[in-house]
Amino acid sequence: DVKVTQSSRYLVKRTGEKVFLECVQDMDHENMFWYRQDPGLGLRLIYFSYDVKMKEKGDIPEGYSVSREKKERFSLILESASTNQTSMYLCASSQPAGELFFGEGSRLTVL
Amino acid sequence: GENVEQHPSTLSVQEGDSAVIKCTYSDSASNYFPWYKQELGKGPQLIIDIRSNVGEKKDQRIAVTLNKTAKHFSLHITETQPEDSAVYFCAASRSSGSARQLTFGSGTQLTVLP
Repeated sequence: DVKVTQSSRYLVKRTGEKVFLECVQDMDHENMFWYRQDPGLGLRLIYFSYDVKMKEKGDIPEGYSVSREKKERFSLILESASTNQTSMYLCASSQPAGELFFGEGSRLTVL
Repeated sequence: GENVEQHPSTLSVQEGDSAVIKCTYSDSASNYFPWYKQELGKGPQLIIDIRSNVGEKKDQRIAVTLNKTAKHFSLHITETQPEDSAVYFCAASRSSGSARQLTFGSGTQLTVLP
């Protein structure tokens, strides 16, 4: 069974803290994605990676960075968390022209 | 860029009735239209998709229709069951099969009442 695993389901952080969200996929997929999900706004792409060490900005990259040192792992980094980054974060993976597979999400609260 | 609008934002139906969710898109070059279902506490999962060379596609109780001229597409669920309760997202892409190009709608919370 295909699997995208996000390491933390729930996180509570303070404003200004550095936050790491980790995602691992076991399908040997080329592509990995980080989305942000907010009520009434749907899913918005933050960053996309098409290969190890390769990344591309999505629609809302401001305040975020990413790291992909291994094919199976894609990390989202909030260098200095702010309250407007309180959200649900979804990781996904796919083959280049294939179906998106999502993780279960990481709900981040920034106080 | 692409803009996808989805309606309604919430929908309640009686078990056994049909449910219809509608989306419109702005980019006439879009050619791939998937639908995702997100159950409570889970990530979205692809349930059906349609490409621009087809007007309708069915899979058991779910169907999707596409009107390229009007730039809208719809999800139809017949004989709804409680397990159909979830958030549904439509999406559109101008690069068929490329997830990078997907633009999502805002989501519809479907509740099937027993």
